[in-house]
Amino acid sequence: DAKTTQPPSMDCAEGRAANLPCNHSTISGNEYVYWYRQIHSQGPQYIIHGLKNNETNEMASLIITEDRKSSTLILPHATLRDTAVYYCIVPMNTGFQKLVFGTGTRLLVSP
Amino acid sequence: DTAVSQTPKYLVTQMGNDKSIKCEQNLGHDTMYWYKQDSKKFLKIMFSYNNKELIINETVPNRFSPKSPDKAHLNLHINSLELGDSAVYFCASSQTETRGWSGNTIYFGEGSWLTVV
Repeated sequence: DAKTTQPPSMDCAEGRAANLPCNHSTISGNEYVYWYRQIHSQGPQYIIHGLKNNETNEMASLIITEDRKSSTLILPHATLRDTAVYYCIVPMNTGFQKLVFGTGTRLLVSP
Repeated sequence: DTAVSQTPKYLVTQMGNDKSIKCEQNLGHDTMYWYKQDSKKFLKIMFSYNNKELIINETVPNRFSPKSPDKAHLNLHINSLELGDSAVYFCASSQTETRGWSGNTIYFGEGSWLTVV
């Protein structure tokens, strides 16, 4: 998998936007960027993925730089329930999914 | 309805015992996985099955044997349990793309907490 680099932790005030960065400078042209999160004591949860265009769904927005070497996950109005570890993953294009989880970013949303 | 369900959720057992964790998905997916999350919170893939065939087998001791009776089920059997097997085991599933590649969104179960004493 393309190596990803994320800050180990971030803080965000409730109601504010949380912007979580990820560097993936070795990404190949056809590799997607995936974001998952793991809330304490729960299974990982899919958030969003993208190739080169910005993406938005009901959970978050994904902004990918034009050179695709980095991306930012945006939670527009963070709530206390968004406190979790967020993983940025670039799976290999092998035909079968094999997610390699790094250490992620621990996001703490405070009142 | 729970999409990916695992049983049991908690399991405490003695060293040397044999135990199984069951997993079922009702999403109609053709690929299932087992991941292990250790005490340091690292999440690592162990196995993956596609249509009941083993496609990913990471470096896992032979004491771990996955079994897929059909594509909706992937059970994990562990022989001769050791203290180091204590971890959270997550089952997951996804649907293989047949046209092009966009990756596969993987859906995880809630985990099975295994404690070996």
